[in-house]
Amino acid sequence: EPEVTQTPSHQVTQMGQEVILRCVPISNHLYFYWYRQILGQKVEFLVSFYNNEISEKSEIFDDQFSVERPDGSNFTLKIRSTKLEDSAMYFCASSIWTQRDTQYFGPGTRLTVL
Amino acid sequence: GENVGLHLPTLSVQEGDNSIINCAYSNSASDYFIWYKQESGKGPQFIIDIRSNMDKRQGQRVTVLLNKTVKHLSLQIAATQPGDSAVYFCAEGRGNTPLVFGKGTRLSVIA
Repeated sequence: EPEVTQTPSHQVTQMGQEVILRCVPISNHLYFYWYRQILGQKVEFLVSFYNNEISEKSEIFDDQFSVERPDGSNFTLKIRSTKLEDSAMYFCASSIWTQRDTQYFGPGTRLTVL
Repeated sequence: GENVGLHLPTLSVQEGDNSIINCAYSNSASDYFIWYKQESGKGPQFIIDIRSNMDKRQGQRVTVLLNKTVKHLSLQIAATQPGDSAVYFCAEGRGNTPLVFGKGTRLSVIA
């Protein structure tokens, strides 16, 4: 069964450093997402991406964040200058056509900012 | 949004019993709802969804009930098994806007 994959599973970085989180969405899906989940809290929407551009973004997704589809399979989230409060699980998801279609989540990347 | 912190509501059930997990949603304009299961160290896994024009939907061993009057959603799991142990949370959606996730409930199945 097709699944969303994410790398790395755990990323440790120093405050102020740039990180890139990688995702490979399900191959025939057109809508991609990044979510964040701080330990013990709700899953929070960051950004959705469709047709090679951002469809929607939340208030969390400020200028420090960017997304890219560098090729036909990868979808990345970049945080330019990490802060302590960026420590969280970051989930990538994809859906086939729209945000109303079932979103399939990857296993997540645990980001720890020291 | 609400800050749940590290404490999640917990539901403990005996293996074989039925489980009922509840969710209160916030937006009366939401027109579809989804239940997700999240096992430790894994991403959310879709369980079942329901549109606002329905009040009940059944899947394999799961039933979702929707009460729009009181903005309440429940997930019923029949014959709960140890593999059902996880955090369950609901999400609400409206049109083609991003999903809004609720706080989770930890289901613990006692063998």
